[in-house]
Amino acid sequence: AQKITQTQPGMFVQEKEAVTLDCTYDTSDPSYGLFWYKQPSSGEMIFLIYQGSYDQQNATEGRYSLNFQKARKSANLVISASQLGDSAMYFCAMREAVGGGYNKLIFGAGTRLAVHP
Amino acid sequence: SAVISQKPSRDICQRGTSLTIQCQVDSQVTMMFWYRQQPGQSLTLIATANQGSEATYESGFVIDKFPISRPNLTFSTLTVSNMSPEDSSIYLCSAGGQGARGEQYFGPGTRLTVT
Repeated sequence: AQKITQTQPGMFVQEKEAVTLDCTYDTSDPSYGLFWYKQPSSGEMIFLIYQGSYDQQNATEGRYSLNFQKARKSANLVISASQLGDSAMYFCAMREAVGGGYNKLIFGAGTRLAVHP
Repeated sequence: SAVISQKPSRDICQRGTSLTIQCQVDSQVTMMFWYRQQPGQSLTLIATANQGSEATYESGFVIDKFPISRPNLTFSTLTVSNMSPEDSSIYLCSAGGQGARGEQYFGPGTRLTVT
């Protein structure tokens, strides 16, 4: 069975600094995809970034980048130049096929990030 | 990406009653998903809802407790039946999950408190 592990319940960072949120995964499927979502206190889930197992380069989306280390089965999210609005819960997730070409998401426990001024 | 809305955004309900949550997508999608997020916890998938067929429930979730309707390609409902305080959670619907990446886009969630 696929599994996502986030070992940092909470992290804090100074505004304008970079922060890394850890995510490790376990799967026997050679083809997989990893996602990061942000959940502000309002509750909605915001898709941030995606990394495919066969992607040659680490994914980047603006201030978000993914440090993908396949051999270590880790997909850490790096947020550069932190902003106060980055304070939120962050979830790492992996897709799992449900048939018919569709996928469900398996989520980690999440990391609460607090950005301090 | 799809834009998804949910109603109600929050509700406080008495134990033993039922609440139906509506989820509307701004474009036609084949698959929709319903998740539960208990206080301080991560998201757990309740069921996948494919238009035109019965919903597929995850282990630990049953149709009698969480009946789902999927009448067309832009709409779905989740009913939380015979509620108890343990059902107090955020309920989120999502759409997507297809294609090479399979990302899902989420609605704003429904915060349910059962007293």
